[in-house]
Amino acid sequence: GAVVSQHPSWVICKSGTSVKIECRSLDFQATTMFWYRQFPKQSLMLMATSNEGSKATYEQGVEKDKFLINHASLTLSTLTVTSAHPEDSSFYICSARQGRYEQYFGPGTRLTVT
Amino acid sequence: GQNIDQPTEMTATEGAIVQINCTYQTSGFNGLFWYQQHAGEAPTFLSYNVLDGLEEKGRFSSFLSRSKGYSYLLLKELQMKDSASYLCAVRDPRNNDYKLSFGAGTTVTVRA
Repeated sequence: GAVVSQHPSWVICKSGTSVKIECRSLDFQATTMFWYRQFPKQSLMLMATSNEGSKATYEQGVEKDKFLINHASLTLSTLTVTSAHPEDSSFYICSARQGRYEQYFGPGTRLTVT
Repeated sequence: GQNIDQPTEMTATEGAIVQINCTYQTSGFNGLFWYQQHAGEAPTFLSYNVLDGLEEKGRFSSFLSRSKGYSYLLLKELQMKDSASYLCAVRDPRNNDYKLSFGAGTTVTVRA
């Protein structure tokens, strides 16, 4: 149980285009989902907290107009990187929280912007 | 603010024991997690401590002292597959979001 999927697992896009990443909780309902970004050899940095049916809460320094988050249902959250630039190339990981406790992580999406 | 410190790298021999320390100074505390992350993969859950003391799970054990803001992860009988990054994370109970703040991670290299 407690499986979280992400799609796509990797994506290459051209600078200036937008990319959407999906995060799904497959066998449980996630009231809260989290989006992280991880640069090579660095730790996970929380970008935003997404609650179903409400606006996402962004961490300081994360541009909400550039990283659009939609938590449309209890099993799906999407992150759209708008007008992507090479510096947005990173490993994006989502996690889903069941109840008050443990977060379950998705397998990650590697974004490369050329 | 959140300040979570752990060593950058550690090297050990197969079959040996390695202890990874983590110290934290955070605005709130509702548990400390250890995750294992292999290169290019998402973190996988190893352990969770919310009360002081030692939690043992097979070859892995985790210890917590809330008064000292200190935890360690103990890896016993090291295997080559244990070569990975180990992340210490503190959960913040504020705003009912229970966000996790991660340390920078400790890269453990197991040598034959």
